[in-house]
Amino acid sequence: KQEVTQIPAALSVPEGENLVLNCSFTDSAIYNLQWFRQDPGKGLTSLLLIQSSQREQTSGRLNASLDKSSGRSTLYIAASQPGDSATYLCAANFGNEKLTFGTGTRLTIIP
Amino acid sequence: EPEVTQTPSHQVTQMGQEVILRCVPISNHLYFYWYRQILGQKVEFLVSFYNNEISEKSEIFDDQFSVERPDGSNFTLKIRSTKLEDSAMYFCASSESRLGLGNTIYFGEGSWLTVV
Repeated sequence: KQEVTQIPAALSVPEGENLVLNCSFTDSAIYNLQWFRQDPGKGLTSLLLIQSSQREQTSGRLNASLDKSSGRSTLYIAASQPGDSATYLCAANFGNEKLTFGTGTRLTIIP
Repeated sequence: EPEVTQTPSHQVTQMGQEVILRCVPISNHLYFYWYRQILGQKVEFLVSFYNNEISEKSEIFDDQFSVERPDGSNFTLKIRSTKLEDSAMYFCASSESRLGLGNTIYFGEGSWLTVV
């Protein structure tokens, strides 16, 4: 069964620090992985998409990596800001027409 | 920037009633989806739709659910006879092409459905 896991469920970090969010998946036959941001009661905003042939993708202060062999992806956030507080979700595509989501990590940046 | 829009943003309905959730996907997108998120749980896939037919569905998407693209712009999810456990946030999404080809999927803001 294709599953996606995110640990920890919650993370608090002082403002200005760099941080890493983790995502793991059970099937190495992954096609691509997306990271999303979700604010309370809101929709999902796509942050980064990594193809299976790529090792990493960058957008501003965000950098996402993908390691198929170990079944892991990370989202690195540099110089965190209070506005980064949200739930971060990773979702994997295994070549079908759906995304399989993790449970998310609720990130709080402490001013 | 183009966006996926959903209506209503919140609906309260009595158990057993029919509900229709509406979505306007991004205009040049060809693939449409519905996902749901029960409070405190994972976002779950319901159904994908392409070329006027369902291309994939989950076991959640039983006979109580149906989808339709009644015209060139709207995409709807109908729940025939709602149950308490259907209470969730329902997200519509669209993509330009197949997800397996590495296309980004864009989500709407969601429709909160509360069944009482």
